[in-house]
Amino acid sequence: GAGVSQSPSNKVTEKGKDVELRCDPISGHTALYWYRQSLGQGLEFLIYFQGNSAPDKSGLPSDRFSAERTGGSVSTLTIQRTQQEDSAVYLCASSLDVSGANVLTFGAGSRLTVL
Amino acid sequence: AQSVAQPEDQVNVAEGNPLTVKCTYSVSGNPYLFWYVQYPNRGLQFLLKYITGDNLVKGSYGFEAEFNKSQTSFHLKKPSALVSDSALYFCAVRRSYGNNRLAFGKGNQVVVIP
Repeated sequence: GAGVSQSPSNKVTEKGKDVELRCDPISGHTALYWYRQSLGQGLEFLIYFQGNSAPDKSGLPSDRFSAERTGGSVSTLTIQRTQQEDSAVYLCASSLDVSGANVLTFGAGSRLTVL
Repeated sequence: AQSVAQPEDQVNVAEGNPLTVKCTYSVSGNPYLFWYVQYPNRGLQFLLKYITGDNLVKGSYGFEAEFNKSQTSFHLKKPSALVSDSALYFCAVRRSYGNNRLAFGKGNQVVVIP
């Protein structure tokens, strides 16, 4: 596609429910990243995928968070048993690969509110 | 692990005055450095990057940044600020080899006063 597409754009859920956030990267981009943006906290790295390599999951804050990338394209970030502190904007980005010089293209984000 | 510090929460500047947004970094080896901007209700957009070569990098919308290895800094500058430059600015760093996680700072809110 023309850009990185994320859905839903807004999600309100109750504490304890599971949520899934979807990211559709730019066609041909082999690297995909998830970040979390909280007020005053900047962008917190969560996970990245590069082709068929094992993903770097080192930024996931707890075992309630998981992500997968099917067929090297679409990615889903799943948060189980959501907590109020999970409320944030979840940003997905893609790049041609994880070569250091490559620029990330970001989606508009999914705003999650946990009541 | 790589990290970025953006020491100021908010930068206020009068329209037409020079704008500077500060960034210092920490990384093993040589850095790749980036600036991104987030306008209200919009996604992050790439502004400029330093990979190698000339320490002064020019980017979009009249912005430039200077890489200073001895001070581990990569400050963003614009000679004459516009009201439309009001946005949230993020500095980011990654290593030039190995783990390619891109680490962002917490961001600086820039307010350009008419």
